[in-house]
Amino acid sequence: GAVVSQHPSWVICKSGTSVKIECRSLDFQATTMFWYRQFPKQSLMLMATSNEGSKATYEQGVEKDKFLINHASLTLSTLTVTSAHPEDSSFYICSAERGFNTEAFFGQGTRLTVV
Amino acid sequence: GENVEQHPSTLSVQEGDSAVIKCTYSDSASNYFPWYKQELGKRPQLIIDIRSNVGEKKDQRIAVTLNKTAKHFSLHITETQPEDSAVYFCAATKAAGNKLTFGGGTRVLVKP
Repeated sequence: GAVVSQHPSWVICKSGTSVKIECRSLDFQATTMFWYRQFPKQSLMLMATSNEGSKATYEQGVEKDKFLINHASLTLSTLTVTSAHPEDSSFYICSAERGFNTEAFFGQGTRLTVV
Repeated sequence: GENVEQHPSTLSVQEGDSAVIKCTYSDSASNYFPWYKQELGKRPQLIIDIRSNVGEKKDQRIAVTLNKTAKHFSLHITETQPEDSAVYFCAATKAAGNKLTFGGGTRVLVKP
């Protein structure tokens, strides 16, 4: 099956710093990728839709200036958590679709801990 | 937007018994309904999916049913095994690969 890879798998950062998470589609091109956040023992919540070559579309309640998304190529989307705070600690997962109306493929997730 | 409700939130079954998880959705335009299994700290894994033009789908011990009129869909796991223990999520979307709205999840524990 298609492979979506995230990097890093886990990261610990200090409050006030920024962290960049990468999501790559390794064997297919993805014009659209999705970023989800999952707090402990909770469900996955969509944060934003990342569109190659254009601005991301953010879900209601997600601060676009805090969670910067860049989709500069057909195989890479990045999520930057700016000025991170402990409440941003979560599991961030991306997904990509290989083609229209085909299943979504998930990255392995990135566990962010802000101390 | 879409809203997906999932029940129960926890489910404990004896090995060999069946497990059933139910979901409801709100948006009648949704037509793709995947089910995911997620182990702790891992990515969600697609275990089965169903599209709106089908009422039932089966894959070995796993089956999914869909009632579009009632906006219900369910996951059935038969002959449960300890390795089935995980958190299961249902989801709904207008097209496969598109943004997903997830249910709240069901923590399944299969007791040996």
